[in-house]
Amino acid sequence: QVQLQQWGAGLLKPSETLSLTCDGYGGSFSGYYWSWIRQPPGKGLEWIGEIDHSGSTTYNPSLKSRVTISIDTSKKQFSLKLTSVTAADMAVYYCARMDRIVVINGILHDAFDIWGQGTMVTVSS
Amino acid sequence: QSVLTQPPSASGTPGQRVTISCSGSNSNIGSNFAYWYQQLPGTAPKLLIYRNNQRSSGVPDRFSGSESGSSASLAISGLRSEDEADYYCASWDDSLSVVVFGGGTKLTVL
Repeated sequence: QVQLQQWGAGLLKPSETLSLTCDGYGGSFSGYYWSWIRQPPGKGLEWIGEIDHSGSTTYNPSLKSRVTISIDTSKKQFSLKLTSVTAADMAVYYCARMDRIVVINGILHDAFDIWGQGTMVTVSS
Repeated sequence: QSVLTQPPSASGTPGQRVTISCSGSNSNIGSNFAYWYQQLPGTAPKLLIYRNNQRSSGVPDRFSGSESGSSASLAISGLRSEDEADYYCASWDDSLSVVVFGGGTKLTVL
């Protein structure tokens, strides 16, 4: 059974780059979308973006100019970089696996069935 | 302002049935599946319901999901104290090409 273990710097200064990595050990890496989701303190969930095993990415337009998600299938790891962070980027960041539904005319997004433990990222000068 | 609209709070006494609504549009719940996640304090969200009404593995049958048009609902029957948590609905939005979440509903067991 796949488990997700994430890590990265938890304290950043304004304008620095947030960098997190998620390790998906214990299972297959293909056939899924690998996502990043964040949750500001006391607030709801926001989807940041996703990558599949081929490296194809989709980003939330609200963050697209600052986000890069990459994948290393040999290590079963995927990573998030968010540039030029501000206080508005303070949140718990989660990595998650999204299942996919294969239909006749394409692939549909399904559930986030496995989540990482979360990493609190604080932005402070 | 979340794309999917949920009531910010809900409550019930042990044993009661509570329902949490999630209102969307034709571009998300109206044309894609709805999902429900439970988030206990200080933990990562956990999948409860997928594809509108399918319970995730290990989820008690007290939890059920339904969908009608561009709205979805989560029902919890036989309410228990351990159900006290935040609940989020989610769906894919075809117009925005993003996963959208509701703002979350904090369930209190009185």
